[in-house]
Amino acid sequence: KQEVTQIPAALSVPEGENLVLNCSFTDSAIYNLQWFRQDPGKGLTSLLLIQSSQREQTSGRLNASLDKSSGRSTLYIAASQPGDSATYLCAVRPNGNTPLVFGKGTRLSVIA
Amino acid sequence: GAGVSQTPSNKVTEKGKYVELRCDPISGHTALYWYRQSLGQGPEFLIYFQGTGAADDSGLPNDRFFAVRPEGSVSTLKIQRTERGDSAVYLCASSLAGGEQFFGPGTRLTVL
Repeated sequence: KQEVTQIPAALSVPEGENLVLNCSFTDSAIYNLQWFRQDPGKGLTSLLLIQSSQREQTSGRLNASLDKSSGRSTLYIAASQPGDSATYLCAVRPNGNTPLVFGKGTRLSVIA
Repeated sequence: GAGVSQTPSNKVTEKGKYVELRCDPISGHTALYWYRQSLGQGPEFLIYFQGTGAADDSGLPNDRFFAVRPEGSVSTLKIQRTERGDSAVYLCASSLAGGEQFFGPGTRLTVL
């Protein structure tokens, strides 16, 4: 059974700092991996999707990497801003027709 | 196009009552997923539809939970004899077959 772990559970950083969020998964046979952002009381916003054949994806100040063989992904946020404060969720899709398996998330606070 | 919408946004009910939660997917999306998110946790899969049929309902916790998608578009999640432990945010997502999942804002269910 696929399990997804996110470390740390919570993180507080000063504005402007570069930071890395970690995600690990137990079964390396995945179809793709997604990073989501969730604001308090809101739904999920997809940030980046990495297919199993890809090593990384970039969108603005965000960069996500994938190392399938080691069961790890990282989300790198450059020059963090207070508006980046949210919970970041990592999810893997075991194959193309299966639902996502989520981690518990990392709660990020960026202090002005 | 509009994104995934869910109604109601909030639902408060009493223990033992019946509730229905509605999801309107993105037009043309054939796959529809229901997830449940408890406080401080990542979303957990409940049921997945491909078209009108439930392709995978292995995440439904017990037979009090049931979902339908009669015309392959709108879906309704039905919970009978609600219990306090059913309190959570219920999230719906839709996608093209095997594609990226897009989430709605969720329905916050509170069972008193």
